[in-house]
Amino acid sequence: GAVVSQHPSWVICKSGTSVKIECRSLDFQATTMFWYRQFPKQSLMLMATSNEGSKATYEQGVEKDKFLINHASLTLSTLTVTSAHPEDSSFYICSAKAGGANGELFFGEGSRLTVL
Amino acid sequence: GIQVEQSPPDLILQEGANSTLRCNFSDSVNNLQWFHQNPWGQLINLFYIPSGTKQNGRLSATTVATERYSLLYISSSQTTDSGVYFCAVGRGDMRFGAGTRLTVKP
Repeated sequence: GAVVSQHPSWVICKSGTSVKIECRSLDFQATTMFWYRQFPKQSLMLMATSNEGSKATYEQGVEKDKFLINHASLTLSTLTVTSAHPEDSSFYICSAKAGGANGELFFGEGSRLTVL
Repeated sequence: GIQVEQSPPDLILQEGANSTLRCNFSDSVNNLQWFHQNPWGQLINLFYIPSGTKQNGRLSATTVATERYSLLYISSSQTTDSGVYFCAVGRGDMRFGAGTRLTVKP
């Protein structure tokens, strides 16, 4: 299957700082990537759809100024959590479809963010 | 938006037993996938199955798109099958069900 790589796997930061998470499709091009968030023992919630060369589409209730998404190339999307607070601590996972809009979705390894 | 319901929420099996996990969804979709999330959080692709039946070893899945449900079968379960199984559906972006937490005891 296709490979999606996410970095970093773990990050601990102080409250008020910003954290950037990278998501790369290693063996395919992805015009669209998806960012999910997962709290402990809960399901994955879609945060936003990242579109190469254009603005991301955010789900209702997700603050676009807090979760900055940039999709500058066909293989890289980044999520920046700005002015992080303890309530932003979570597991963030990116994904991309291989094979077009109806293709199979592949996930990165996830990034576990802890804000102190 | 599309609603996704998975059942049962929790399942405890003895090693060697068989099980069936269900995923119901509220609208027509052109993509349905099953995932297994391991204890480290990694999502493992099990099946890409918007319709029809597929098998991979001890696992198989069936999606009846016209009736808006999918089933995941696990036969001869092993302790390594433990974890959370998610169904995700969609027409563009993908929405996840709440998952089934499977525990296989030796």
